[in-house]
Amino acid sequence: EVVMTQSPATLSVSPGERATLSCRASQSISSDLAWYQQKPGQAPRLLIYGASTRATGIPARFSGSGSGTEFTLTISSLQSEDFAVYYCQQYDSWPPLTFGGGTKVEIK
Amino acid sequence: EVQLLESGGGLVQPGESLRLSCAASGFTFSNSAMSWVRQAPGKGLEWVSANGGSGGSTYYADSVKGRFTISRDNSKNTVYLQMKSLRAEDTAVYYCAKHGYGSGNNWFDPWGQGTLVTVSS
Repeated sequence: EVVMTQSPATLSVSPGERATLSCRASQSISSDLAWYQQKPGQAPRLLIYGASTRATGIPARFSGSGSGTEFTLTISSLQSEDFAVYYCQQYDSWPPLTFGGGTKVEIK
Repeated sequence: EVQLLESGGGLVQPGESLRLSCAASGFTFSNSAMSWVRQAPGKGLEWVSANGGSGGSTYYADSVKGRFTISRDNSKNTVYLQMKSLRAEDTAVYYCAKHGYGSGNNWFDPWGQGTLVTVSS
């Protein structure tokens, strides 16, 4: 099973600042990585797939990078609506499809 | 617009069964792989089960293998999750989610709104 580890668990950021979230895979997953955003009481929403391709309708301030075992989600200038929990997910080797434990982005 | 609508959740006792349904619209359902993903209260996301577009291939997390069964009815654009021998640790919001188009594109987009399953005596 590919274990996904996200860091930090909580990130405190001021509006307008940059946020950098990390995701590490226990083995190489090429670029088979997705990022999701989840707000309280809502279903997750796809942000990024293929490690760096934005999903339809996702603002350009969200960007993904990385390959192999190290991945990053960057939010260039945090807006109020971006405060949420973010999850990474690998789909290179499955079953099982596996998620990271999540990073909560909170207002500083 | 692609939409997924889950139903069937509720309160059950340990050892009982429950069947979840997910009605899909806005895309060619028969060509699309579908998954169930759950989220225990206050916890992260856990993939539970997947079903290929033709319905021939099914996959399960070890935590539910032998107790849960995924199936689909392409004539009704609906995917199901039959859950048996439910345990307290199965308590979660259960989401259905559509896989990306094409082989190997096993990310999830979109997700349904979720249905809550509570297993408690």
